[in-house]
Amino acid sequence: KQEVTQIPAALSVPEGENLVLNCSFTDSAIYNLQWFRQDPGKGLTSLLLIQSSQREQTSGRLNASLDKSSGRSTLYIAASQPGDSATYLCAFDRGSTLGRLYFGRGTQLTVWP
Amino acid sequence: NAGVTQTPKFQVLKTGQSMTLQCAQDMNHEYMSWYRQDPGMGLRLIHYSVGAGITDQGEVPNGYNVSRSTTEDFPLRLLSAAPSQTSVYFCASSYSGQANSPLHFGNGTRLTVT
Repeated sequence: KQEVTQIPAALSVPEGENLVLNCSFTDSAIYNLQWFRQDPGKGLTSLLLIQSSQREQTSGRLNASLDKSSGRSTLYIAASQPGDSATYLCAFDRGSTLGRLYFGRGTQLTVWP
Repeated sequence: NAGVTQTPKFQVLKTGQSMTLQCAQDMNHEYMSWYRQDPGMGLRLIHYSVGAGITDQGEVPNGYNVSRSTTEDFPLRLLSAAPSQTSVYFCASSYSGQANSPLHFGNGTRLTVT
């Protein structure tokens, strides 16, 4: 059974800090990995997609890396802002299973001014 | 752009009742799917469709039916609601369903079964 673990489950930091959110997985057949953001009462928004042949992706203040050999992905958030407060979820797919993603439980981030 | 639209936003059912959760997308996406999100668990795939007239089961399909008569719509039917189906349900779509095609999610339907 695929398992995705996200650490920490919750994180509260002051504005301006650089953050690292962790995602680990036990499935060696991971193909692509995505990071999503979920705001309260809302659906998920895709932040970064690291495709099979890639090791990292960057978008603005966000950087995600993927190390398949160690079964880990990290999401780095630079200069955090209160607007970054949300739950962050990682999910991977196995390539062959159309659209099926295996999700972690998420890290709930609070950035206070 | 509307994106993925789910209705209703909230629903309360009694055990044994049936209902349909609606999902529509206006992005001409071929792939659509339903997930459920439960406290302390990751999202789990219920059913998915790779195009009109084609559906398949996901990880937790029992108690749910789907159909895909048009590209735009992908309703999820609860045949006889049970308390274990209390959850938040998300519909998602993507252009191709391939792993590198980003998923677009609706805002969810929060269902409570008493």
